[in-house]
Amino acid sequence: NAGVTQTPKFQVLKTGQSMTLQCAQDMNHNSMYWYRQDPGMGLRLIYYSASEGTTDKGEVPNGYNVSRLNKREFSLRLESAAPSQTSVYFCASSEEGKNTEAFFGQGTRLTVV
Amino acid sequence: KQEVTQIPAALSVPEGENLVLNCSFTDSAIYNLQWFRQDPGKGLTSLLLIQSSQREQTSGRLNASLDKSSGRSTLYIAASQPGDSATYLCAVLAGGFKTIFGAGTRLFVKA
Repeated sequence: NAGVTQTPKFQVLKTGQSMTLQCAQDMNHNSMYWYRQDPGMGLRLIYYSASEGTTDKGEVPNGYNVSRLNKREFSLRLESAAPSQTSVYFCASSEEGKNTEAFFGQGTRLTVV
Repeated sequence: KQEVTQIPAALSVPEGENLVLNCSFTDSAIYNLQWFRQDPGKGLTSLLLIQSSQREQTSGRLNASLDKSSGRSTLYIAASQPGDSATYLCAVLAGGFKTIFGAGTRLFVKA
């Protein structure tokens, strides 16, 4: 009963370092999403993948890249981390279509020093 | 541009009280609205999903309503319990596959 699994749960990076956040879902969902959550601002969409093989920018894509590796996996990469990217990152998935629930992972707490 | 606002930002109530959380959105052209619960340091748990053609959804002590024309949704929690203490987020699915979130209401239920 895994649902959406994110790794790692916590990470500390130095400014300029790179890293990839991993996300996998086992619900056979077509659509996957990456959000960041900052205090007082709610969740903001970074990138999404409506279906395997497609990715699109969300509200705050600058400084990030994504890969939809297959139907299960959707990764988020920070090429050169900056302190402004300190945040909690959430991956989510949903079935294709506009009347479906979104399911979320437990989050990755990233600190860039 | 779709914006979602939640009022109040924080709420403290005694156990047993009925309460209402509010969510408003600026563009009525939505596909659905979803209410989530988030516990500190945890992910989001879906509570209720209201499709654009629906007026309300109920699950146990929770009831969510949707008025698209006025751009408003409410989450009603009956007979609140200390275990209901959490942050409650509403989110609207608008154009494309983009879900727009409110900043949340932090609820504290005192025993």
